[in-house]
Amino acid sequence: AQSVTQPDIHITVSEGASLELRCNYSYGATPYLFWYVQSPGQGLQLLLKYFSGDTLVQGIKGFEAEFKRSQSSFNLRKPSVHWSDAAEYFCAVGAGTASKLTFGTGTRLQVTL
Amino acid sequence: DSGVTQTPKHLITATGQRVTLRCSPRSGDLSVYWYQQSLDQGLQFLIQYYNGEERAKGNILERFSAQQFPDLHSELNLSSLELGDSALYFCASSARDSNTEAFFGQGTRLTVV
Repeated sequence: AQSVTQPDIHITVSEGASLELRCNYSYGATPYLFWYVQSPGQGLQLLLKYFSGDTLVQGIKGFEAEFKRSQSSFNLRKPSVHWSDAAEYFCAVGAGTASKLTFGTGTRLQVTL
Repeated sequence: DSGVTQTPKHLITATGQRVTLRCSPRSGDLSVYWYQQSLDQGLQFLIQYYNGEERAKGNILERFSAQQFPDLHSELNLSSLELGDSALYFCASSARDSNTEAFFGQGTRLTVV
């Protein structure tokens, strides 16, 4: 069965600092990987996705993620965090259809000024 | 704005009642997915419709049902509501059934009292 682990429940960073959110997955085949962000009272916004090809993918809002098959990881990074990035971030793995998406439990990001 | 519209945004109802949640997918998207987000279960896939037909089922209770209409909007019906059904219900849509990402709406917050 597929699964996603986001080991950090809560992370606090200072504005302007770099960010890395961890995601480890378990999947039997080539995974489709996603990062979504959920701001308070908002829906889930797709930040980026990995289907195949270049293992470093760029997303919206200056985020990027790197797929590392050997480590079963898909960590999300941003070089300089803005206060507006405070939100909950979800990693998800699937088979290329949203009917089989498995989400992690999320990482809540707090940004201090 | 993802282009997926859900109504209502908030719903408060009593136990034993029945409610209907509505979703309008992005223009041109044929697939609609329903997800439930609760504190104890996290984000869970409920059901998918593709071009009017049920395509996949997840952890959907028998008290819940859904349909997709010819204009592609979808409704999720929840009946005999229990306190534990209180959650955020998301609708997502995608252009195709596979090899594609899903775009989520802002959700309907259901509170059962």
